[in-house]
Amino acid sequence: AQSVTQPDIHITVSEGASLELRCNYSYGATPYLFWYVQSPGQGLQLLLKYFSGDTLVQGIKGFEAEFKRSQSSFNLRKPSVHWSDAAEYFCAVWGSGNTGKLIFGQGTTLQVKP
Amino acid sequence: DTAVSQTPKYLVTQMGNDKSIKCEQNLGHDTMYWYKQDSKKFLKIMFSYNNKELIINETVPNRFSPKSPDKAHLNLHINSLELGDSAVYFCASSQGAEGTQYFGPGTRLLVL
Repeated sequence: AQSVTQPDIHITVSEGASLELRCNYSYGATPYLFWYVQSPGQGLQLLLKYFSGDTLVQGIKGFEAEFKRSQSSFNLRKPSVHWSDAAEYFCAVWGSGNTGKLIFGQGTTLQVKP
Repeated sequence: DTAVSQTPKYLVTQMGNDKSIKCEQNLGHDTMYWYKQDSKKFLKIMFSYNNKELIINETVPNRFSPKSPDKAHLNLHINSLELGDSAVYFCASSQGAEGTQYFGPGTRLLVL
């Protein structure tokens, strides 16, 4: 069965520092992968997605993610974090069967220190 | 205009009651979803509808009944509410099952 693991439950970085959030997936075929962000008390907003092609994908708010098939990973990065980036980040993979079912990781809480 | 809206935003109710949560999208999408986010922030799909037809029905108690009166609406009715139903419920929509899903702001349900 497909699954997503986000190994880091909570990460704290200083404002201006670089950020990498880890995501590992389990999927038999080529996965469709997503990163969503949830600000406090808000819904989920799509940051970026990978379907095929270039393994380095650019998203909104200066985020990027790299798909590495050999490591079953899709890590999210940002070169310089802003205080407004503090939020919950979810990695997700599409389940099989073309039903649109998203399987989410446990989420990583990002705290930004001034 | 809000793309995916949910009402109410907050819902506090007693055990045993029946309640409904409404979802509307103005994106012209044909597929809508309900997700549940538990107290540990874990998100899990409950249902999805495509053109008013049920596509996904995860292992959800039959106290939960979705209803899609038209493509733009997907409501969630919950009978005999239990303490464990307390969660945040998110509605989402997409154009086809392969489209990007856009989420609503969530409905925070607290069962006392």
